[in-house]
Parts: sequence; C-alpha cells; structure tokens
Amino acid sequence: GIQVEQSPPDLILQEGANSTLRCNFSDSVNNLQWFHQNPWGQLINLFYIPSGTKQNGRLSATTVATERYSLLYISSSQTTDSGVYFCAVDLIGGNKLVFGAGTILRVKS
Amino acid sequence: DTGVSQNPRHKITKRGQNVTFRCDPISEHNRLYWYRQTLGQGPEFLTYFQNEAQLEKSRLLSDRFSAERPKGSFSTLEIQRTEQGDSAMYLCASSLSAYEQYFGPGTRLTVT
Repeated sequence: GIQVEQSPPDLILQEGANSTLRCNFSDSVNNLQWFHQNPWGQLINLFYIPSGTKQNGRLSATTVATERYSLLYISSSQTTDSGVYFCAVDLIGGNKLVFGAGTILRVKS
Repeated sequence: DTGVSQNPRHKITKRGQNVTFRCDPISEHNRLYWYRQTLGQGPEFLTYFQNEAQLEKSRLLSDRFSAERPKGSFSTLEIQRTEQGDSAMYLCASSLSAYEQYFGPGTRLTVT
C-alpha cells in the first residue's frame, strides 16, 4: 500500500520562530490533507491541498504532486500551535485517507 | 454547520462486553468513514459508507466489529466481546463524495 512519511518526527521551537514540516508519499494521490490534532484528540482541518499552494493566516502549504511531497509552513509560531500535525493522502480511485505518523510540535514561550 | 458529532465521548467497559458508538455526519455529506487511532499513531481506516451502502472494510475490522448506516444519515459502530486490544480512539469522518474529510471529536474506548 501507499507509504506516507512525515519529517521531522519531533520539533521544539521558541515562540516566534518559523518551521517547515514535510510529507512524502509513495504513489499518485487524489487528495492530500493536513490536520492539527489538539490535546483532546480532535483533528482540525488545516488544508485540503492535492496540488498547488494555499495560505491561511500564519500557515501555508504546498503540494508538488509530480514529485510526491507536500510542505506545511508555520510562521511566527505561538504556543497554541503545539500539538501533532498529520498529513493524510487518498489514492487515485481510493476511498480512504492514509495517515503519516505525525510531527509532534512543541512551541515554548 | 454543526460539524460531525460522536457519542459517547468516552466509554469504559469490561472485557467481554459489547459496546456501540454513534456518529452523526455533516448533513449534506454522502460519505461516512470510521477510523481507529491508538496512542502515538496516526488514525487507521476501518470502513466507509456511501449513503447507506458499506463499500469497503479494512482487514483491521475483525468479525467482532460491525458498522451500519441504515438510512444514509447517522452510523453506528458495534464491537462485540471487547478485548483489551480494542482500547483506542474511534474517529468518524464525513465528506461530500471523494473530497475533503471532516472529523468528529472521537470516542475514547477503554477496555479493562
């Protein structure tokens, strides 16, 4: 099946710093989503981005489908950005999201 | 837009008991998914429905697990004869066809 690899697995930042999270996937995809999982377990949708670039406030994402990777940029990080960030993909013709192992982000004040 | 809701939020049960979880999707969404997440892992797909038809099941969904979506609206996931290995967060998601999936808050199951 499709492999989804996220890096880095762990990231500690000082408040105000910028970061880049990466997601590599092993096959062509129909759908790619980025999520933030809060401490209560809720998955919060950040981006639906099978290709191209999107921005939402301090967050932006880029997916290069032909090279099978996606990047999530967090600028001017805040302590509330802490949590686990997941990338998830859905194969062309598939009907389910396959998740990476996540990146644990800790932002220190 | 009320989002995806799940009940109960937490369930503690003894090994061998049956449990049932409910998911109410976003009202106009025709697809509904169940995932399971264990500590330190990403969610894993269990099954999905398009309207009332269950179209795909994961190998993770043993014969002790059954899911229904009787009228194409809410769904239930039942686990019979629970085992300690069933302890996990059970997540429901919905989508409009094969587009963006939206997740509910999850049901955390603890089997003692």
